Amino acid sequence: DQQVKQNSPSLSVQEGRISILNCDYTNSMFDYFLWYKKYPAEGPTFLISISSIKDKNEDGRFTVFLNKSAKHLSLHIVPSQPGDSAVYFCAAINSGTYKYIFGTGTRLKVLA
Amino acid sequence: DVKVTQSSRYLVKRTGEKVFLECVQDMDHENMFWYRQDPGLGLRLIYFSYDVKMKEKGDIPEGYSVSREKKERFSLILESASTNQTSMYLCATTPPTGEAFFGQGTRLTVV
Repeated sequence: DQQVKQNSPSLSVQEGRISILNCDYTNSMFDYFLWYKKYPAEGPTFLISISSIKDKNEDGRFTVFLNKSAKHLSLHIVPSQPGDSAVYFCAAINSGTYKYIFGTGTRLKVLA
Repeated sequence: DVKVTQSSRYLVKRTGEKVFLECVQDMDHENMFWYRQDPGLGLRLIYFSYDVKMKEKGDIPEGYSVSREKKERFSLILESASTNQTSMYLCATTPPTGEAFFGQGTRLTVV
């Protein structure tokens, strides 16, 4: 049973526009959320995170929003660049159990 | 910089072989994880360990076992490799809370 879901397997966006990647989770015990970026043949790399006590965290072009009541988070990339083309994974942690669960991934393609 | 090293980038093994995937981290992190990545399924947690000699099953432990004899090393063992275990295997390490650091991955093909 997938506890963390990314319902869009792929997304295409024009360069300079906003990319919005979505993630839904089912377990209300998750208390920390992260986004990772992955290129082919490499391990994922950390992008940005948010604690469950916040609803927004910003780092340069990347902003993560958390809606706890809807069990939903999103990653906004503004402006999108061709180098952002990769697979993006959201992840959720239940710090009481050490378990670190990833979503199914969304492949973002930024068109020049 | 945290370094997480997986012993092989590419492996080809025969059905029924016992396969060892090794992962070493240099940051003294307590938590270590093994995932497999498959198209459309994302990263699925196989096993994790939060201390030496401690291990917990993830979401898909069947057909796998793990060993953590030393803090820096976490091994994934395929007891009898099968073709459905052909996948990209990723090792990760984390501090008690916070971001995960991944190895470069091992692409395993079972023929």
